[in-house]
Amino acid sequence: AQKITQTQPGMFVQEKEAVTLDCTYDTSDQSYGLFWYKQPSSGEMIFLIYQGSYDEQNATEGRYSLNFQKARKSANLVISASQLGDSAMYFCAMREEPNQGGKLIFGQGTELSVKP
Amino acid sequence: NAGVMQNPRHLVRRRGQEARLRCSPMKGHSHVYWYRQLPEEGLKFMVYLQKENIIDESGMPKERFSAEFPKEGPSILRIQQVVRGDSAAYFCASKDSTAMNTEAFFGQGTRLTVV
Repeated sequence: AQKITQTQPGMFVQEKEAVTLDCTYDTSDQSYGLFWYKQPSSGEMIFLIYQGSYDEQNATEGRYSLNFQKARKSANLVISASQLGDSAMYFCAMREEPNQGGKLIFGQGTELSVKP
Repeated sequence: NAGVMQNPRHLVRRRGQEARLRCSPMKGHSHVYWYRQLPEEGLKFMVYLQKENIIDESGMPKERFSAEFPKEGPSILRIQQVVRGDSAAYFCASKDSTAMNTEAFFGQGTRLTVV
């Protein structure tokens, strides 16, 4: 079963507008972490934001915020005031219980294109 | 503090040759993870190592692939007798603990092309 689902293969957004990238997850663990990574065309993986399953507030990091809806098992990434440099692949990932060693399970990714 | 260093960045091998991918984790990090990214896909976990120990190799193909993280030196992902299907980007990540909220720092990846 797919643990992390990103249903949007590609998204377009106008520069300076906000965009939401969807992510749903599946786990039976009570303790888990959710991550978003950005992968520009150069290929590196850049950490953006983290949300813990017990965190009561949505995580924010600058222009990035995570819309965490635990009952729906969704962890959507919101990018405000999009910039041309935001064009990249975005991956949602989950880390389950620590005793599984901390490995990340990734979604298929969403390719975001920011239009000038 | 240097980040996670992977080399080579690009590697071309003929079918049947061996590929050796190296990963030096961030200073002070003792947990290393290898992931593979096939074209147009997300990253897939391969193996998790601590110094001198393989902790979880549930994502490693049963044959031709091996990994090590010796007491001294980088972690090595070794692929023997490469085939075209091994062409992918291989990423290494390191962490300083298995705490839930600590991020994994990724290297820039090694892009393996099998011709």
